[in-house]
Amino acid sequence: NAGVTQTPKFRVLKTGQSMTLLCAQDMNHEYMYWYRQDPGMGLRLIHYSVGEGTTAKGEVPDGYNVSRLKKQNFLLGLESAAPSQTSVYFCASRQQGASTGELFFGEGSRLTVL
Amino acid sequence: DAKTTQPNSMESNEEEPVHLPCNHSTISGTDYIHWYRQLPSQGPEYVIHGLTSNVNNRMASLAIAEDRKSSTLILHRATLRDAAVYYCILRDVRNSGGSNYKLTFGKGTLLTVNP
Repeated sequence: NAGVTQTPKFRVLKTGQSMTLLCAQDMNHEYMYWYRQDPGMGLRLIHYSVGEGTTAKGEVPDGYNVSRLKKQNFLLGLESAAPSQTSVYFCASRQQGASTGELFFGEGSRLTVL
Repeated sequence: DAKTTQPNSMESNEEEPVHLPCNHSTISGTDYIHWYRQLPSQGPEYVIHGLTSNVNNRMASLAIAEDRKSSTLILHRATLRDAAVYYCILRDVRNSGGSNYKLTFGKGTLLTVNP
């Protein structure tokens, strides 16, 4: 079972370059999330999506864009990378519904911006 | 959104019980209490969740105070593999507004397990 898969797992960028992180889930989940994690900061929500074709801003959305063209994929884009975006990025998904709410996370994507 | 407060770090010995506290004094009646943990260099994983009653599963137990303003995650016999950051988060299950969908993590509690 693949679960939540993030690509790439590691990437080094120069300031000003652009890139896209891909998150794919095979559990038919409605909700998908992108978080970033910096040392000592816990996880902070960047953007999230409650269904195909919909996205919404989280706590720290500036400098990022997202798209959810297909239910199983949630893309996180950096149009012009900055050193402050050096972080570990986690994607997560969960089923719609009140009783469970369990989040399934990917293994993370470590991004370094020089 | 209701906030949670956890100690920054705790220490335990292997094979002893561990009680990880979480305060959520502004919790609403529609907030579920969720616990996740993050092992080193991995993504967070679900541990347990509850609403009002205490809950048990194969990983841990969740004890919820009668007024719901605090909860405790209980690891009955800590192992070295339980060394992780533990996050307590609240999830509003109401269908109105975006708060139902957002899941906000704090800094969590770093649990160290001594051999």
